[in-house]
Amino acid sequence: EAQVTQNPRYLITVTGKKLTVTCSQNMNHEYMSWYRQDPGLGLRQIYYSMNVEVTDKGDVPEGYKVSRKEKRNFPLILESPSPNQTSLYFCASAPDLAAKNIQYFGAGTRLSVL
Amino acid sequence: RKEVEQDPGPFNVPEGATVAFNCTYSNSASQSFFWYRQDCRKEPKLLMSVYSSGNEDGRFTAQLNRASQYISLLIRDSKLSDSATYLCVVSEGFQKLVFGTGTRLLVSP
Repeated sequence: EAQVTQNPRYLITVTGKKLTVTCSQNMNHEYMSWYRQDPGLGLRQIYYSMNVEVTDKGDVPEGYKVSRKEKRNFPLILESPSPNQTSLYFCASAPDLAAKNIQYFGAGTRLSVL
Repeated sequence: RKEVEQDPGPFNVPEGATVAFNCTYSNSASQSFFWYRQDCRKEPKLLMSVYSSGNEDGRFTAQLNRASQYISLLIRDSKLSDSATYLCVVSEGFQKLVFGTGTRLLVSP
């Protein structure tokens, strides 16, 4: 089954404790992206990747890191989480940049930073 | 002004009703337009693309008005299963997708 898998689905952590949210897709997609969704603000892009070893900042990259060492994986790293990073996070993938409009989303990771 | 604006709703309609949502966008250079559907606490899923000539998919019709910079989504014969949040999405340039905050629809028996 074609899918985008995020882990964990729920995470409660404390300020400053490094964490990684994993994202994996099995569709051989070139384009992958991370979003956060907050009430009243909609989905905002954090980082995106057009292919292996090619990543770029989205609209709200501060406090986040990403890597794309393999095509299928695109982990999101919070080196020192803060309470304002409490949010619902979605990973998404698309066949390539030209087809980025047709994005397949993971089920989401609900993060709470205390 | 927000790049993409939607009425948050909720729109409360009975089963069988016709309901329409609008979405306005601020960048006149926007190239592509879409509607995504998001169920409560779930991931967004592409519902349909919006073409300049308008397009229809079953009970759903999407229209684009470039002159007034808005897109619309019409749902006919509403079903209970149509209850969700509908996200307007605009493609600005080659790399950027901008998501609206969504319009919530509640269809009641």
